[in-house]
Amino acid sequence: GAVVSQHPSRVICKSGTSVKIECRSLDFQATTMFWYRQFPKQSLMLMATSNEGSKATYEQGVEKDKFLINHASLTLSTLTVTSAHPEDSSFYICSARKAYEQFFGPGTRLTVL
Amino acid sequence: RKEVEQDPGPFNVPEGATVAFNCTYSNSASQSFFWYRQDCRKEPKLLMSVYSSGNEDGRFTAQLNRASQYISLLIRDSKLSDSATYLCVVNRPTSGTYKYIFGTGTRLKVLA
Repeated sequence: GAVVSQHPSRVICKSGTSVKIECRSLDFQATTMFWYRQFPKQSLMLMATSNEGSKATYEQGVEKDKFLINHASLTLSTLTVTSAHPEDSSFYICSARKAYEQFFGPGTRLTVL
Repeated sequence: RKEVEQDPGPFNVPEGATVAFNCTYSNSASQSFFWYRQDCRKEPKLLMSVYSSGNEDGRFTAQLNRASQYISLLIRDSKLSDSATYLCVVNRPTSGTYKYIFGTGTRLKVLA
């Protein structure tokens, strides 16, 4: 199997606070993980590619200083949304690569008040 | 123009109907292709990979036409539980690695 977990599943925070989301591959090691964002009625948009032991690669238009990614081990990547604002409210989904496939976590619904 | 295009729907069909979804992609370097299913407020789940020879999994048939850069999904004998958004996904090379490009999805509603 290939199971990916995410924590927390839901978070509500005040504007200006930082939120950390964890993504774990539970039964396999993943040198590469991906972070996506999905707004209502839109598709998943890749934010960044997280590489174990090196810097993440960010997609065009995604601020690396706002969305901090750390991939310190082969089973864990974290995304920190710094100084969150209401426009950051979205569904954040991670995935972990195994061979040529990606396996998705259950997502984190972030609401910034 | 989006790199992966799908008709957003919604497709409202009665139970037992056959329904087909289409998807086109613009990058000819795309290597592999998938259909994912996404339920409301949930993560996408892999429905099936798509191969050039066409492949079938129960009531689901997927086809790939590389020359036309076109992918299709056929669902036979629709069930109420098939109601979901179906995402066309293309895996293509970029900067020495690969990444998934998602279509916007096609919404299907199967009616009793």
